[in-house]
Amino acid sequence: QKEVEQNSGPLSVPEGAIASLNCTYSDRGSQSFFWYRQYSGKSPELIMFIYSNGDKEDGRFTAQLNKASQYVSLLIRDSQPSDSATYLCAVTGGGTSYGKLTFGQGTILTVHP
Amino acid sequence: DARVTQTPRHKVTEMGQEVTMRCQPILGHNTVFWYRQTMMQGLELLAYFRNRAPLDDSGMPKDRFSAEMPDATLATLKIQPSEPRDSAVYFCASGTPGQVRQYFGPGTRLTVT
Repeated sequence: QKEVEQNSGPLSVPEGAIASLNCTYSDRGSQSFFWYRQYSGKSPELIMFIYSNGDKEDGRFTAQLNKASQYVSLLIRDSQPSDSATYLCAVTGGGTSYGKLTFGQGTILTVHP
Repeated sequence: DARVTQTPRHKVTEMGQEVTMRCQPILGHNTVFWYRQTMMQGLELLAYFRNRAPLDDSGMPKDRFSAEMPDATLATLKIQPSEPRDSAVYFCASGTPGQVRQYFGPGTRLTVT
């Protein structure tokens, strides 16, 4: 079993719809959770992070974390064609393991006009 | 706009040759990460340094890979001898424990024939 698993996709949504991306993790000690976006041929860029159970909103993006279920998700509202990219879920522990990110395989999102 | 720089951006080499990739972290960042990305394995952490000292290189094949930080402005990743299975995009990222975000460089696309 992979440490971080994402819904395999690809995911295709129409412009203006809500895109829902899901991720589960195996290490219950994981403390920090990240969503990176990667455009084709480019490097990953951080779009959201969350530490606490519940929802965190930033503009059109909402990250949701449920530590009991070991589940983290990303919702993109009012999806735009420019949101078309690969979305990578990543987790890390705390303390001395700061920064040691474990990534999922990524979900390819396509937003069509 | 501070950025992580990586050289070379592209490298094509023959099996058995030595490959050296270089990374200049963002000034002031004391943590440097090396990642490898392939279609099959996704994005994997190879090694990371804090204050130039290696903290974790468990993701790195020890027999042929080596990573160093000769000074605070330069990190290197060497492969000797290279093999076709080393073909991948290698990313360097930098950050500090006080920040959440890791800043990724543009990557070095390595092809070993």
